[in-house]
Amino acid sequence: SQTIHQWPATLVQPVGSPLSLECTVEGTSNPNLYWYRQAAGRGLQLLFYSVGIGQISSEVPQNLSASRPQDRQFILSSKKLLLSDSGFYLCAWSAGGDTQYFGPGTRLTVL
Amino acid sequence: AQSVTQLGSHVSVSEGALVLLRCNYSSSVPPYLFWYVQYPNQGLQLLLKYTTGATLVKGINGFEAEFKKSETSFHLTKPSAHMSDAAEYFCAVSEYGSNDYKLSFGAGTTVTVRA
Repeated sequence: SQTIHQWPATLVQPVGSPLSLECTVEGTSNPNLYWYRQAAGRGLQLLFYSVGIGQISSEVPQNLSASRPQDRQFILSSKKLLLSDSGFYLCAWSAGGDTQYFGPGTRLTVL
Repeated sequence: AQSVTQLGSHVSVSEGALVLLRCNYSSSVPPYLFWYVQYPNQGLQLLLKYTTGATLVKGINGFEAEFKKSETSFHLTKPSAHMSDAAEYFCAVSEYGSNDYKLSFGAGTTVTVRA
């Protein structure tokens, strides 16, 4: 069966510091991968998605970036965090179909 | 472009009572529709989905939803609420874009269950 992992589970970072969140999927090949942010009272916002290694599509312009160095690895990064980057970050995968499956999430607090 | 409206950001029910969460969507094409549940500080778990075929869809934990095209609705129900149903519920619609399916989510409905 397929499993999706995210780490770290929680993170507290100062404003201006860099960020790296990692997502990995097991049990499937060539998944489509997604990064969402869930800010308080704002629902889920799609940030990036990837249909293959090195292929990244950005949905919302911001100071975040994403990379996919391996087939089942998706990384969310920032060079300098802002207060507004605080939130719950969710990674998801799909088998190229309509259904997405979500990871456990990373709670990011920027102080 | 599709959009999803969940009526009521908070719903409070008594244990054993009916749970009804409302979802309306707009889509330019026949939609794929989903309900997800999120427990505190956890990811989203798929409850059920509608793609084609039977309009009444049964999911996990005793939930079901009915797709009504004429009403553009996909309301979620459970006949008898349990304390473990306390969570946030998200309705979503999927539409195929340039190279992938995109999910659009409603704002979510938080369910509290009273003993």
